[in-house]
Amino acid sequence: KQEVTQIPAALSVPEGENLVLNCSFTDSAIYNLQWFRQDPGKGLTSLLLIQSSQREQTSGRLNASLDKSSGRSTLYIAASQPGDSATYLCAAVNRDDKIIFGKGTRLHILP
Amino acid sequence: KAGVTQTPRYLIKTRGQQVTLSCSPISGHRSVSWYQQTPGQGLQFLFEYFSETQRNKGNFPGRFSGRQFSNSRSEMNVSTLELGDSALYLCASSFDPGAGYEQYFGPGTRLTVT
Repeated sequence: KQEVTQIPAALSVPEGENLVLNCSFTDSAIYNLQWFRQDPGKGLTSLLLIQSSQREQTSGRLNASLDKSSGRSTLYIAASQPGDSATYLCAAVNRDDKIIFGKGTRLHILP
Repeated sequence: KAGVTQTPRYLIKTRGQQVTLSCSPISGHRSVSWYQQTPGQGLQFLFEYFSETQRNKGNFPGRFSGRQFSNSRSEMNVSTLELGDSALYLCASSFDPGAGYEQYFGPGTRLTVT
């Protein structure tokens, strides 16, 4: 049974710093790995989607990597800004087309 | 292009009642998925509808059901509400079916069961 874990649960960093959010999954036979952002009281916004055959994806200041052999994905945020404050969730999509979410990392960027 | 809309945004119900939530996908999107988000369990997949048929289902009891109409709009219904059903219910739409495609989420319906 696929389990997705995100550590830490919360993180505070000063504005301008580069940071890394971690995501681990137990079953490496995934179809893809997705990163989302959720602002308080709102739905999710898709950030990056990495297919199982890919190693990384980039969008602006965001870079996500995938290492299936170790069951890990990281989301790298460069030059953090207060507007980056949100909860970041990763999700693994299994071969049976089921999506399993982590519980998220709540990120606070200090001005 | 309008985003995914969900109605109502907030709902308060009493234990034992039933509730219906509505989701209108992005125009042209044919797949709608529903999720439940709680502080304890996080975000969990409920079910997915495509072309008016349930295509995939998560591990929830039969009290949770849904349907999709010919215009792709979807409803989910929860019968015999329990306190533990209090949650944020999110729907997401995509053009193609399956969790492997990029999904666009609505703002959610906050359900409180008292």
